[in-house]
Amino acid sequence: GIQVEQSPPDLILQEGANSTLRCNFSDSVNNLQWFHQNPWGQLINLFYIPSGTKQNGRLSATTVATERYSLLYISSSQTTDSGVYFCAVDSGDMRFGAGTRLTVKP
Amino acid sequence: EAGVAQSPRYKIIEKRQSVAFWCNPISGHATLYWYQQILGQGPKLLIQFQNNGVVDDSQLPKDRFSAERLKGVDSTLKIQPAKLEDSAVYLCASAPSKRRWTGELFFGEGSRLTVL
Repeated sequence: GIQVEQSPPDLILQEGANSTLRCNFSDSVNNLQWFHQNPWGQLINLFYIPSGTKQNGRLSATTVATERYSLLYISSSQTTDSGVYFCAVDSGDMRFGAGTRLTVKP
Repeated sequence: EAGVAQSPRYKIIEKRQSVAFWCNPISGHATLYWYQQILGQGPKLLIQFQNNGVVDDSQLPKDRFSAERLKGVDSTLKIQPAKLEDSAVYLCASAPSKRRWTGELFFGEGSRLTVL
């Protein structure tokens, strides 16, 4: 089946810093979605982005489907951004990466 | 619009006991998924339903896990008998039918299972 790799596995930032999270996938996909899992375990939709670039406030995402990767950018990070960020790809069913655990320190 | 509802939120059982989890998807969503998330890992798909039919259950341990979606709306996931390694959060997600699907999944808050 399709492989989804996320990097880095862990990221520690000071409040106000910027970061880039990466998702590589091993095959063509129909859809790609970024999620944030908050400390209570709830998975929150961030972006549905099979291709192109989208922005929502301090977050933006870019997917280059032909090169099989997607990037999530977080600018001016806040402590509330802490949690685990997952990339999920759809090649028939939604497969998740192992996630990037982000800790933003005040 | 109400989200995906799951219950119970927490369950503690002893190994070899049975447990059932319930999910009510967003109204009108034809596709329903059950995922298992073990601590420190990403969610793993257990089973996918389209209306009341199973689309993919290749990763469901069928010797102990079962799931049904009889009327194409809510769904139940059962584990019998439970093992220690079944300790995880069980997540339910739903999506509209393929014709109207933008590709987004919507998740419930999950049911956290601890097997002692």
